[in-house]
Amino acid sequence: GQNIDQPTEMTATEGAIVQINCTYQTSGFNGLFWYQQHAGEAPTFLSYNVLDGLEEKGRFSSFLSRSKGYSYLLLKELQMKDSASYLCAVRGDDKIIFGKGTRLHILP
Amino acid sequence: DGGITQSPKYLFRKEGQNVTLSCEQNLNHDAMYWYRQDPGQGLRLIYYSQIVNDFQKGDIAEGYSVSREKKESFPLTVTSAQKNPTAFYLCASSIVPGPDMDNEQFFGPGTRLTVL
Repeated sequence: GQNIDQPTEMTATEGAIVQINCTYQTSGFNGLFWYQQHAGEAPTFLSYNVLDGLEEKGRFSSFLSRSKGYSYLLLKELQMKDSASYLCAVRGDDKIIFGKGTRLHILP
Repeated sequence: DGGITQSPKYLFRKEGQNVTLSCEQNLNHDAMYWYRQDPGQGLRLIYYSQIVNDFQKGDIAEGYSVSREKKESFPLTVTSAQKNPTAFYLCASSIVPGPDMDNEQFFGPGTRLTVL
């Protein structure tokens, strides 16, 4: 079967660093996406990894290990506006499969 | 501005009625998708289309129907056969996936459907 696992909720403090993990088992692998979704809004694209390693984009970085079926999203210098759900998604052989998302709470 | 639009943002229907949700994009994307999201759940794929006049069932297609008569438009009909239609519905589009291509999906603002 196909499965994507990520923690349901996480809490971190403003200014700190947080790492959100994602493990996956899919039929085929053609890339992994991270999306941010604020409550009641549409997801917005954060990052894409298709090769092993770290991709950095400002305060956000995403890491991929294909052999381990593992990715993480790293958020630095957390701001209150980073309070949102973070969705891990994998493009398999023919479609993209989404995880259930990790709800991140930021404390002042 | 290029983008993807869904209307209306909120929709109320009586049980037993069919309802059609609209999705339009002017991004010149070939692929379009419909997802359903329930509280605390991820996105579940209902239908997708990679080319005009062709579409495939996703993981939860039962009780839904779609059409793709134009590249820009991919309307979703929620039929009375859908047992639990109340949900947040998201439409997305992308270029057709190719190997190693960063083909992110662009999402519309969503339609929140409530069936009374």
